[in-house]
Amino acid sequence: SQQGEEDPQALSIQEGENATMNCSYKTSINNLQWYRQNSGRGLVHLILIRSNEREKHSGRLRVTLDTSKKSSSLLITASRAADTASYFCATDENNYGQNFVFGPGTRLSVLP
Amino acid sequence: GAGVSQSPSNKVTEKGKDVELRCDPISGHTALYWYRQSLGQGLEFLIYFQGNSAPDKSGLPSDRFSAERTGGSVSTLTIQRTQQEDSAVYLCASSLALSVNSRRSYNEQFFGPGTRLTVL
Repeated sequence: SQQGEEDPQALSIQEGENATMNCSYKTSINNLQWYRQNSGRGLVHLILIRSNEREKHSGRLRVTLDTSKKSSSLLITASRAADTASYFCATDENNYGQNFVFGPGTRLSVLP
Repeated sequence: GAGVSQSPSNKVTEKGKDVELRCDPISGHTALYWYRQSLGQGLEFLIYFQGNSAPDKSGLPSDRFSAERTGGSVSTLTIQRTQQEDSAVYLCASSLALSVNSRRSYNEQFFGPGTRLTVL
């Protein structure tokens, strides 16, 4: 089964609104990463948050991590049509990044 | 600088044939990963190379799958006797060397554009 599970599977919002995606995992981790994948393209790394961190910001992105609940959230503020993509979380399953397990992703559609 | 490149971008083959997929990682990246992504699904880890260490093959789905990394750089993923269920996008990623006790952000993975494999 997948280590990271994103929720919701699909999200459709209007431009300018905020989008929140969640990720849950099962085992302890060293870090959790979020990636974006535009249709037909490779993945792009967005942000990495370590197990001893609770929140990180990068531009319009805010990631939180709650290790007690084994969950993370990705918030995109003031969304744009260009944010339309699939978003994946990846966890390292406490093996120091030797391999990462990706969830099925959240497909975000930002409508103009 | 150049990112991770993969070739071919698309490959259509007949069931039972062998295919080779190539990945050129970012220069200087000693870690290289192969993933598979089926339509509408997340990424499935296949294999991981780190420097001269023995590769982690724990994700390979069957013995028809194998991978090499020559000279610590270019990697080839080979699928023998392809089956229709092998149809997917195969993604390669590379990252800087791991340092287990380091607290640096050392394991951001840079992904290639993928190879779309279709087995008829």
